[in-house]
Amino acid sequence: GQNIDQPTEMTATEGAIVQINCTYQTSGFNGLFWYQQHAGEAPTFLSYNVLDGLEEKGRFSSFLSRSKGYSYLLLKELQMKDSASYLCAVSDNDYKLSFGAGTTVTVRA
Amino acid sequence: IAGITQAPTSQILAAGRRMTLRCTQDMRHNAMYWYRQDLGLGLRLIHYSNTAGTTGKGEVPDGYSVSRANTDDFPLTLASAVPSQTSVYFCASSPGAAGGPDTQYFGPGTRLTVL
Repeated sequence: GQNIDQPTEMTATEGAIVQINCTYQTSGFNGLFWYQQHAGEAPTFLSYNVLDGLEEKGRFSSFLSRSKGYSYLLLKELQMKDSASYLCAVSDNDYKLSFGAGTTVTVRA
Repeated sequence: IAGITQAPTSQILAAGRRMTLRCTQDMRHNAMYWYRQDLGLGLRLIHYSNTAGTTGKGEVPDGYSVSRANTDDFPLTLASAVPSQTSVYFCASSPGAAGGPDTQYFGPGTRLTVL
């Protein structure tokens, strides 16, 4: 089975940095995904990590430590449009995804 | 480029009725998935299909059935709807290439209410 934990909610100020942590215990591992989901919309792909380390993509970065079962998504220079839910998902041995419950980030002016 | 489409967008259904949610993708992806999303529980996999002609059960398959007659379509059927099936349903597809990242792409969702 899969157990994926992430905080329920986070609030930050426009222009700030927010780090969303995700810990997982899974029976198999073929990578970790982060998705963004705005209210009432579909999840959209943000990042993928399969090796340890940091992947940077513009204002967003994602980190993975396989030995610790830990990942984080770093959002820099926050903008109002970054207010959304951020979903951590682990790919198992069959490449199916198990999702955490999501972290709702609210960006305040 | 449509990507993935789902129909209907929303539906209110009486308990006991049969309902089919439609999903079509035009990306020629091999794999397709159905999830339900409930507040506080995140996305949970209902059924999946790795390729046309094959299907498999996910985490919460009871009360649902699927078919995959061709590459593009992956309908989800509720044979006799119950109120606990009230949820937002997302269809997704992925290329299905092993050794991935096998990134999944999601449709816009169907909001289903069973009364």
